Amino acid sequence: ETGVTQSPTHLIKTRGQQVTLRCSSQSGHNTVSWYQQALGQGPQFIFQYYREEENGRGNFPPRFSGLQFPNYSSELNVNALELDDSALYLCASSLATSSYGYTFGSGTRLTVV
Amino acid sequence: QKEVEQDPGPLSVPEGAIVSLNCTYSNSAFQYFMWYRQYSRKGPELLMYTYSSGNKEDGRFTAQVDKSSKYISLFIRDSQPSDSATYLCAMISNFGNEKLTFGTGTRLTIIP
Repeated sequence: ETGVTQSPTHLIKTRGQQVTLRCSSQSGHNTVSWYQQALGQGPQFIFQYYREEENGRGNFPPRFSGLQFPNYSSELNVNALELDDSALYLCASSLATSSYGYTFGSGTRLTVV
Repeated sequence: QKEVEQDPGPLSVPEGAIVSLNCTYSNSAFQYFMWYRQYSRKGPELLMYTYSSGNKEDGRFTAQVDKSSKYISLFIRDSQPSDSATYLCAMISNFGNEKLTFGTGTRLTIIP
């Protein structure tokens, strides 16, 4: 049984650019959530996808968008990058829309310069 | 005021000591309480899960929830250097709200 895998592990972008982060959910899981973890802070909920539809969104602007594919993998897209977007982006998968069953990936460390 | 407050530490204790980690919260709708452990450069790993008030024990770890005081705790007995990590409390309200609300995390170091 594979866990949650995220790619890339690290990347550096310039302010104003766009970035796409990818996540493969744990086998058998059909729900994916994305969290942003700034340095020294707890993860903040960005949004969740269930059966390819957005199923809840946190307090993030529309330039944060996502997709879920039929195989339950997911993408997080961020447009017009700002310096404050520098953070660890975590993907978590679960079997249903119940939060306590989340399995987190190791994250993508995004640095915006 | 944040919904969940957690002392960020850092906290350093000698090997073998009992560690106490705590969080307070303001949202009385929270019903499910979790503790995650996060090693450096890794994602959070679920350590303990508790529903409503009460205690739960798993090996060297004990989670306590006091909903009347809006206070949760994690105790680690016989602490080991491998317990050195950041510990995050997290909570959610009733089913239908799938957002996990995290504390800021407490950075713990166990000194051999």
